Amino acid sequence: EDKVVQSPLSLVVHEGDTVTLNCSYEVTNFRSLLWYKQEKKAPTFLFMLTSSGIEKKSGRLSSILDKKELFSILNITATQTGDSAIYLCAPARNTDKLIFGTGTRLQVFP
Amino acid sequence: GAGVSQTPSNKVTEKGKYVELRCDPISGHTALYWYRQSLGQGPEFLIYFQGTGAADDSGLPNDRFFAVRPEGSVSTLKIQRTERGDSAVYLCASSLKVSDTQYFGPGTRLTVL
Repeated sequence: EDKVVQSPLSLVVHEGDTVTLNCSYEVTNFRSLLWYKQEKKAPTFLFMLTSSGIEKKSGRLSSILDKKELFSILNITATQTGDSAIYLCAPARNTDKLIFGTGTRLQVFP
Repeated sequence: GAGVSQTPSNKVTEKGKYVELRCDPISGHTALYWYRQSLGQGPEFLIYFQGTGAADDSGLPNDRFFAVRPEGSVSTLKIQRTERGDSAVYLCASSLKVSDTQYFGPGTRLTVL
C-alpha cells in the first residue's frame, strides 16, 4: 500500500528562522514528487522533483529528492509570517495520481 | 480564465439529497482530476480524466459518486443520496497533459447535515 509520511506534523517558529520539512514515501510506479503550499483551500504548486540530488530553488524555498532513500526535504530560509501554511508532499505515480501526505503545519510568528 | 475555478464555493445540503459540483479547468488543459480533503488530512484522489474519458476512477468511494466531462473541458462531480461522511472539501486540478504539474482550484466545501 502506498505510504507518505511527513514530519514534523506541526512547527512553530519566529520570523527569520530556517525550517526543514521532511517527506518519506513508499509509492509503487513512482514518477515524481510535488510540493504544495495550502493556506486556505487551494494547494499552490511549489516544486516538482523527478531526479535525485538536484536541488530546485525558488527564492527562499528549496527542495531536493533522494530516490534511493525515498525521501524529500523542503527548506525555507529567513521565514516570514506569510510562509504560515500547511505544506503538502505528493508523490506521483506513472498513472499520474498524486498520493498526498497529511502535511506539515507551519506557523511563523513575528 | 487564469486558473481552475470551482462552483459553488460552499454547499450545504441535507442527508439523502443529490449534489453537483462543477470544475472549470485552465483553458487548454487536457487532464482533469478530482480530490477530496477531509479535515486534518491531505487530499485523496477520486478520479481523473484524459480528455472526455475517465482514465482512472479507482478513488471513487462507492457508486453514489459519479463524474463526467462530456466535452473534454468542464467536469461535474455528482453525489447521490449524500451522507454526513461525504462532508469535505472537494478539490479539482488540471494539467496541460498527463505527467505535467497539476494546478488546483479553490475547492467546494460540502457540508451534509
